[in-house]
Amino acid sequence: EIVMTQSPATLSVSPGERATLSCRASQSVSSNLAWYQQKPGQAPRLLIYDASTRATGIPARFSGSGSGTEFTLTISSLQSEDFAVYYCQQYHDWPPPFTFGPGTKVDIK
Amino acid sequence: QVQLVESGGGLVKPGGSLRLSCAASGFTFSDYYITWIRQAPGKGLEWLAYISSSGSVIYHADSVKGRFTISRDNAKNLLYLQMNSLRAEDTAVYYCARGTGTGYRKYYDHWGQGTLVTVSS
Repeated sequence: EIVMTQSPATLSVSPGERATLSCRASQSVSSNLAWYQQKPGQAPRLLIYDASTRATGIPARFSGSGSGTEFTLTISSLQSEDFAVYYCQQYHDWPPPFTFGPGTKVDIK
Repeated sequence: QVQLVESGGGLVKPGGSLRLSCAASGFTFSDYYITWIRQAPGKGLEWLAYISSSGSVIYHADSVKGRFTISRDNAKNLLYLQMNSLRAEDTAVYYCARGTGTGYRKYYDHWGQGTLVTVSS
């Protein structure tokens, strides 16, 4: 099973600032990586898939990069609605599970 | 629009059983893989089980293998999760999610709102 780790666990950022979140896989997942945003009491929402492709309706301030074992989600200028928990997920390994990282909470500085 | 609506959650005693359902609408259900994912209170996301569009490919995470069974009824646009021998650590919100992507490699573009399962005496 591929183990996903995320850092930092919590990121404190001021509105308008840039946020950089990291995700690491225990072995290569190629570009088979997705990012999700989850707000309290809500289901996760897909932001990025295939490591760098924005999902439908996702603002351009969200961008993903990386391949292999190291990935980054960047939020270029944080808006109030972006304060949430962000999860990465690999969907490379067969057989499943398609494991999630433990999450990074982005909160207001 | 795409909708996934889970139901069937509730309070159950340890060792008990529960069957969750996920009703799909707004898309051709039989074209998509669907997955169950859960989230314990205050914790992260745990991938549980996966079923192919036809139901011919099924996989369960080790944590639930032998206790939980995923199934689907494409004629009724319904997904199920039969949960037996429930434990306190199964307490979580259970989500169904639509898988998309190439071949067996699926990420999740639509999620239900979740249903809460509480296992307690």
